[in-house]
Amino acid sequence: LAKTTQPISMDSYEGQEVNITCSHNNIATNDYITWYQQFPSQGPRFIIQGYKTKVTNEVASLFIPADRKSSTLSLPRVSLSDTAVYYCLVGDLRDSWGKLQFGAGTQVVVTP
Amino acid sequence: EAGVAQSPRYKIIEKRQSVAFWCNPISGHATLYWYQQILGQGPKLLIQFQNNGVVDDSQLPKDRFSAERLKGVDSTLKIQPAKLEDSAVYLCASSSSRVPPTDTQYFGPGTRLTVL
Repeated sequence: LAKTTQPISMDSYEGQEVNITCSHNNIATNDYITWYQQFPSQGPRFIIQGYKTKVTNEVASLFIPADRKSSTLSLPRVSLSDTAVYYCLVGDLRDSWGKLQFGAGTQVVVTP
Repeated sequence: EAGVAQSPRYKIIEKRQSVAFWCNPISGHATLYWYQQILGQGPKLLIQFQNNGVVDDSQLPKDRFSAERLKGVDSTLKIQPAKLEDSAVYLCASSSSRVPPTDTQYFGPGTRLTVL
């Protein structure tokens, strides 16, 4: 399994863009990248997933460079409600969800 | 669509007592997962079911933890006897497919267990 490294915490103000970079230097050919968001007292919530280049949905964008050794989750114009822990997971396309390993995540704190 | 339901939401017990958690996955989801999340850490998979069969229980402390999923729907996770280090949030999740990215994984709110 590819090991991931992401910052422990990030602070931001409302309305700013938050970019969280996850390093996964030993990512394998069949691995894909998934990000989860977890609010206090709730279970994690899937927010975005990608294999290469750029993926965008209504919540976030995911940028993956050509070498795939890192990825960046971009949260546009954050609000106070985006305060949460964000997890980067890397896993094989052929494995089950249960094989994805959660690290400690990045605590994002948004202030007014 | 109703989400993953878990009960109870909170439980306080003394060490060496037993405790059980219940999970009702999203209707039609064949795959069910139990995770343990210790404060400050990410969730750790304890066991994964596909319908009513166990797919992966390699990280389940089988001397004290047990889980079942009768009829391939609801599931219970039991701890007997509990230790202080079992204090954590126990999360249940479900997905319609074992293999991403064909579907996402949905988590319940969790049960916060405190062992005194």
